Amino acid sequence: AQTVTQSQPEMSVQEAETVTLSCTYDTSESDYYLFWYKQPPSRQMILVIRQEAYKQQNATENRFSVNFQKAAKSFSLKISDSQLGDAAMYFCAHPGGYGQNFVFGPGTRLSVLP
Amino acid sequence: NAGVTQTPKFQVLKTGQSMTLQCAQDMNHEYMSWYRQDPGMGLRLIHYSVGAGITDQGEVPNGYNVSRSTTEDFPLRLLSAAPSQTSVYFCASSSGTQNSPLHFGNGTRLTVT
Repeated sequence: AQTVTQSQPEMSVQEAETVTLSCTYDTSESDYYLFWYKQPPSRQMILVIRQEAYKQQNATENRFSVNFQKAAKSFSLKISDSQLGDAAMYFCAHPGGYGQNFVFGPGTRLSVLP
Repeated sequence: NAGVTQTPKFQVLKTGQSMTLQCAQDMNHEYMSWYRQDPGMGLRLIHYSVGAGITDQGEVPNGYNVSRSTTEDFPLRLLSAAPSQTSVYFCASSSGTQNSPLHFGNGTRLTVT
């Protein structure tokens, strides 16, 4: 069974600083995608970034980037120049076969300190 | 551009009552699913559907029923509510291809007393 682990229940970062959220996963597939979702207090689930396992290059979306280590099955999210609006729950997710039935990690609550 | 529409936003039930959470999407997605979110457990899959007329169980299906009569709609029914079903529920859809993200509704906070 696929599993996703986020070992940091809570993290905090100073505004304008950089923070890295950890995620590890388990899968038997060779080609797959990984996702990070953000859930602000509004409860909305917002896609932050996705990574294809087949690609060596780490994905980047503006201030958000990933450090993908396929052999270690590690998929961490780096947020640069943190802003107050980045405060949220962050979920790492791995879809099952054929892009369906996502498995989510337990989440990391990020606080941004002014 | 509605995306995934989920209703209601909040609901309070007494133990034993039944209710239906509504979900509709206008993106012509074949894949739809229901998740529940509980503190420290992330989102867990309740039921899913890969097309009209096809449904299957996820990780935590007990106490819930679904049906998929059209591509657009995927309601979730609580047959006899229990306090253990107090949670936040999300409907989500995707095109079902490997690189497709889930598109989520805004969630329903359900409290069972």
